[in-house]
Amino acid sequence: KAGVTQTPRYLIKTRGQQVTLSCSPISGHRSVSWYQQTPGQGLQFLFEYFSETQRNKGNFPGRFSGRQFSNSRSEMNVSTLELGDSALYLCASSLAGGDAAQYFGPGTRLLVL
Amino acid sequence: TQLLEQSPQFLSIQEGENLTVYCNSSSVFSSLQWYRQEPGEGPVLLVTVVTGGEVKKLKRLTFQFGDARKDSSLHITAAQPGDTGLYLCAGELGNNRLAFGKGNQVVVIP
Repeated sequence: KAGVTQTPRYLIKTRGQQVTLSCSPISGHRSVSWYQQTPGQGLQFLFEYFSETQRNKGNFPGRFSGRQFSNSRSEMNVSTLELGDSALYLCASSLAGGDAAQYFGPGTRLLVL
Repeated sequence: TQLLEQSPQFLSIQEGENLTVYCNSSSVFSSLQWYRQEPGEGPVLLVTVVTGGEVKKLKRLTFQFGDARKDSSLHITAAQPGDTGLYLCAGELGNNRLAFGKGNQVVVIP
């Protein structure tokens, strides 16, 4: 069974731009969660989607948004990028939900200049 | 404020030595997960502990959940270079959410 895939793997943007990241979960997994990982803060929860509905949202500004499609694929969008948005963005899928065993993708490394 | 505190943040040891890292909280969790993350990769689930006092073994790795379900430890016996990585603990918050610690960076020197 194929693992979680994320595209692109690396991205360089400038302040003020927007970015869209994509995640394809493991086949059959309906829950997709997004995390931001930085050396200073560790893994911070962004949001979780299940069957196209956002079930949970972390403490991030409204510039961070996401959605999930009927095939469970998910995208997250960050608008008006700031330098502090530079991070590794990880997507994880799960059979049961955002608090069950998570299967992570390799992440998208975003650098904002 | 970090819900889960992991210590030590960084640990470097020689191949063949034993090590223990810790994951502590003042909150009670219904379960706790341990992951290992290698450079350039996402975290990979190692184990889930559910019952207070539970001990689980995965080859040379021993995981223990505290009796009060507030803390956990990971012990590695005879560490090998392949054990190098960032070890993350994650507590189940309910409502389909996990809280992650910042991790224990372990480096095993050949």
